[in-house]
Amino acid sequence: DAGVIQSPRHEVTEMGQEVTLRCKPISGHNSLFWYRQTMMRGLELLIYFNNNVPIDDSGMPEDRFSAKMPNASFSTLKIQPSEPRDSAVYFCASSLIGAEAIYFGEGSWLTVV
Amino acid sequence: KNEVEQSPQNLTAQEGEFITINCSYSVGISALHWLQQHPGGGIVSLFMLSSGKKKHGRLIATINIQEKHSSLHITASHPRDSAVYICAVRSGNQFYFGTGTSLTVIP
Repeated sequence: DAGVIQSPRHEVTEMGQEVTLRCKPISGHNSLFWYRQTMMRGLELLIYFNNNVPIDDSGMPEDRFSAKMPNASFSTLKIQPSEPRDSAVYFCASSLIGAEAIYFGEGSWLTVV
Repeated sequence: KNEVEQSPQNLTAQEGEFITINCSYSVGISALHWLQQHPGGGIVSLFMLSSGKKKHGRLIATINIQEKHSSLHITASHPRDSAVYICAVRSGNQFYFGTGTSLTVIP
């Protein structure tokens, strides 16, 4: 299996621009998670989906952040407008609902200048 | 209060030393993960535990469910073990993460 695939791997953008991060979960997995990692706060859950439905988005920092999962094989995390404090590594992970294992993508390294 | 606490936060060891990283958690869990992240790299799952002990090469992970505590041991440490080690627990459909232990092994 190809694993969880994220794109882009690296992005540098100017403040105020829209950023879209993409994730393809492992085929057959029905739970998808978006995490943000910073030096100060470590890994933080932003939102997770079960069967393409958002279950808990309490970790989404503010209205500038939105996430969608239009089908079982694709999810996006959008930041509009982006700000320098959004600079972080954004990880997507997938698993089977009720299973214990979780698989991470390689992360999207975002820098907002 | 964090659901998962790790110690130490930073650790420097000489090559060959035996290393222990500790993790305590406060929620009911179905599984505990030890994750490894190299500088600039992605996150790799080393172990998934729900009881007892697992061994993979020079790495050993143990968990005590009653005490809500897990340890990750590295025997005969090597500079390539230098990484951040993260403890994560699954509680329901949520994952909670420790802040990580940054390990540097000096040749």
